[in-house]
Amino acid sequence: RKEVEQDPGPFNVPEGATVAFNCTYSNSASQSFFWYRQDCRKEPKLLMSVYSSGNEDGRFTAQLNRASQYISLLIRDSKLSDSATYLCVVHKGSRDDKIIFGKGTRLHILP
Amino acid sequence: DVKVTQSSRYLVKRTGEKVFLECVQDMDHENMFWYRQDPGLGLRLIYFSYDVKMKEKGDIPEGYSVSREKKERFSLILESASTNQTSMYLCASSDIRNQPQHFGDGTRLSIL
Repeated sequence: RKEVEQDPGPFNVPEGATVAFNCTYSNSASQSFFWYRQDCRKEPKLLMSVYSSGNEDGRFTAQLNRASQYISLLIRDSKLSDSATYLCVVHKGSRDDKIIFGKGTRLHILP
Repeated sequence: DVKVTQSSRYLVKRTGEKVFLECVQDMDHENMFWYRQDPGLGLRLIYFSYDVKMKEKGDIPEGYSVSREKKERFSLILESASTNQTSMYLCASSDIRNQPQHFGDGTRLSIL
């Protein structure tokens, strides 16, 4: 099993719809989780951290399911500007561990 | 806001050349990273550094070296560029190892 796995997509979603995608991770000791957004030919940018209790930032909700070892990102009332690739990032949490990036899920919002 | 600056957005070099990619961050971050990103392969870690003068190999260090003489600057060196090193190169920094990394704009490098 890969350390971090994401459905590559693309997810083609009409504007205004709700879309959700998951990211699974293999190491149960993982402690820190993030979602990044990457626009075409640009650098990845932090979208939000994922907390154990789940967290919300406007139209975006991130959740962590430790039992099944996945994190999720839900986007409500999607906008054309949400079109991007969303990268899942996982860190085991001990001092010597590297952060692991997923390969990303491509999202296209259709007008 | 954290600012990570990469020296070039686009660079074209020839095979066999020695290539230097520079990265500077302005937030006094301890940790700096070099990645390359290729279609279908995602971000792959080349080298990283947790302190000045310190470097560690990432997942794909072959053909590359790095230098960190000052805390704010982390340089990636392609010793003898080859066509399979054509890629997008991204530098990142972070304050604490398990905290989010901040990326530079990237350097799109073409080796002819």
